Amino acid sequence: GNSVTQMEGPVTLSEEAFLTINCTYTATGYPSLFWYVQYPGEGLQLLLKATKADDKGSNKGFEATYRKETTSFHLEKGSVQVSDSAVYFCALSGDAGNNRKLIWGLGTSLAVNP
Amino acid sequence: KAGVTQTPRYLIKTRGQQVTLSCSPISGHRSVSWYQQTPGQGLQFLFEYFSETQRNKGNFPGRFSGRQFSNSRSEMNVSTLELGDSALYLCASSLTAGGRNYEQYFGPGTRLTVT
Repeated sequence: GNSVTQMEGPVTLSEEAFLTINCTYTATGYPSLFWYVQYPGEGLQLLLKATKADDKGSNKGFEATYRKETTSFHLEKGSVQVSDSAVYFCALSGDAGNNRKLIWGLGTSLAVNP
Repeated sequence: KAGVTQTPRYLIKTRGQQVTLSCSPISGHRSVSWYQQTPGQGLQFLFEYFSETQRNKGNFPGRFSGRQFSNSRSEMNVSTLELGDSALYLCASSLTAGGRNYEQYFGPGTRLTVT
C-alpha cells in the first residue's frame, strides 16, 4: 500500500536559516501530496499541496516540488522565522480505490531560535 | 465561513468510563474524519464518514466508534476508557472522501485525559 516517510526531528534552527524537511513516498498511480502544519495548541492546517509531477506548491515562503523520479516532496524555506516553530506533516492521497484516503508521515518538529 | 468546531475542548475522565466527542464540519463539507494524536504514536487515523456512511476505518479496537448525522455533524464515542486513550482527538472535514484534491480542514481538537 501507499506510505510516507518523513525525516525525524526535532529540527532546531536559528532565525533566517535555510530549512529542508525531507519527505519521500511510495504509491501506485498518481497521488496528490500535501504538507500540513500544526502550531502549538492548534489543529493541523494545510500549508501547500501538489497534485501532479513537477508541480510546485508554495505558501508563506514555503515551497515543495512533486518529484516523481525520486518519489519526493521535500519542504523548503529560505529564511525561517521564530513563528515557523511548529510540527510539519507530509501526507499523500491516492487516486483510486482503497488508496484514496490520506496517508500521513510521523511529523517533524521544528524549533526556530531567535 | 466558520471552521471546524469540536466540543468539548478539554475532558477529564476516569478509567472505565465512556466519552462522546462532537465535531461540526465546515458548511457544505460531507466528509468527516477522526484522528488520535499522541506524542509516541503521532497522528493515527480512526475512521472517516461521508454522507452518514463509514468509508474508511483505521486499526483501533471496537471500543472506538463513530457516527455521522444527516447534517454532516459527527460524534465519536470511546467506551471503557483506558489510560492509553489519553490523547488529542482531531476532527477534519472535507468536500470529498479521498482522491486527488483531498484537502482536509482540521478543528482545534479535544484533549482527553484519562485518570
